[in-house]
Amino acid sequence: EAQVTQNPRYLITVTGKKLTVTCSQNMNHEYMSWYRQDPGLGLRQIYYSMNVEVTDKGDVPEGYKVSRKEKRNFPLILESPSPNQTSLYFCASSAVLSSYNSPLHFGNGTRLTVT
Amino acid sequence: QKEVEQDPGPLSVPEGAIVSLNCTYSNSAFQYFMWYRQYSRKGPELLMYTYSSGNKEDGRFTAQVDKSSKYISLFIRDSQPSDSATYLCAMTNYNFNKFYFGSGTKLNVKP
Repeated sequence: EAQVTQNPRYLITVTGKKLTVTCSQNMNHEYMSWYRQDPGLGLRQIYYSMNVEVTDKGDVPEGYKVSRKEKRNFPLILESPSPNQTSLYFCASSAVLSSYNSPLHFGNGTRLTVT
Repeated sequence: QKEVEQDPGPLSVPEGAIVSLNCTYSNSAFQYFMWYRQYSRKGPELLMYTYSSGNKEDGRFTAQVDKSSKYISLFIRDSQPSDSATYLCAMTNYNFNKFYFGSGTKLNVKP
């Protein structure tokens, strides 16, 4: 089954404790991206990657890191989480975006709480 | 000012009603427009997409784009209780690398 898999689904942590949220896709997609979803603000793009070893900032990159060493994986790293990073996070992937026929496929989300 | 504005609702309609969902945007560079549906505890899934201005129909769903007014719409005909979800508009420019989403409209279709 074609899918984007995020882990964990739920995560509670404390301020300053480094964490990684994993994202993996099995569709051989070049493009991957991370979003956070907050009430009233919708989905905001954190980072995106057009291909392996190519990453770039979205609209809200502060406090986050990403890496794209393999095509299928795109982990989101919070080096020193803070309470304002409490949010619902989504990973998404897409085939080569030269054609607008390539929709974003989303994972089921990771709910992060930072106390 | 947000790039994309969307009325959060909630919108409550009886089964069989026609539903109209709308977004406005400020960036004239946006070329591709999408509607996603999101059920509770799930990721968004693509419903419709359109390029530039015009209409597109897919079953009970019709997407409209008016670039001159920077306004997009999604119409749902013969709405069903299974259509109850949050609907998100999204858009991007020709680079197709950065996507901008509305905050979502929560729709409830009552049996």
